[in-house]
Amino acid sequence: AQSVTQPDIHITVSEGASLELRCNYSYGATPYLFWYVQSPGQGLQLLLKYFSGDTLVQGIKGFEAEFKRSQSSFNLRKPSVHWSDAAEYFCAVGALGTGANNLFFGTGTRLTVIP
Amino acid sequence: NAGVTQTPKFQVLKTGQSMTLQCAQDMNHEYMSWYRQDPGMGLRLIHYSVGAGITDQGEVPNGYNVSRSTTEDFPLRLLSAAPSQTSVYFCASSVSGTPGNTIYFGEGSWLTVV
Repeated sequence: AQSVTQPDIHITVSEGASLELRCNYSYGATPYLFWYVQSPGQGLQLLLKYFSGDTLVQGIKGFEAEFKRSQSSFNLRKPSVHWSDAAEYFCAVGALGTGANNLFFGTGTRLTVIP
Repeated sequence: NAGVTQTPKFQVLKTGQSMTLQCAQDMNHEYMSWYRQDPGMGLRLIHYSVGAGITDQGEVPNGYNVSRSTTEDFPLRLLSAAPSQTSVYFCASSVSGTPGNTIYFGEGSWLTVV
């Protein structure tokens, strides 16, 4: 069965510092992997996705993620965090077993940015 | 450019009442779905549809009903509300049901069952 683990419930970083949010997945085949961001009271916005090819994926808002098959990880990174990046971040894997565009989500990581 | 629109945004129900959460998209998307978001549990799939007239169950379908009579609309019905259905509900859509298509989410509907 597929699953996604985000081990960090809450992370606090200073503005301008680098950021890495961890995501581990469990899936037998090459997964479809996604990172979404959710601002308070809002829906989810796609930051980036990985299907195949280059394991370093660039997304919007200066985010990138690296797929590491050997570690079953898809960590999200940003070299310099802005106060507007404070939000909840969700890693998700495509539920290929359903044959449809369904996702399994991790439990999320809440990011706080301090000035 | 409305995207995915959910109504109502907030609702309080009494146990045993029924209600319908509305979802509409104006992007001519074939795939639509409903997720619920609970604290510490991420989003979980309730029901989904890969086209008009086609629906299927997700991870947590019990207590919910859906139908897809048009491409644009995908209402979620709570048949007899229970406190365990207190949650934030998100409707989502993508151009097709093919895995990997970008999924667009509505802004959510906050439901409290007392």
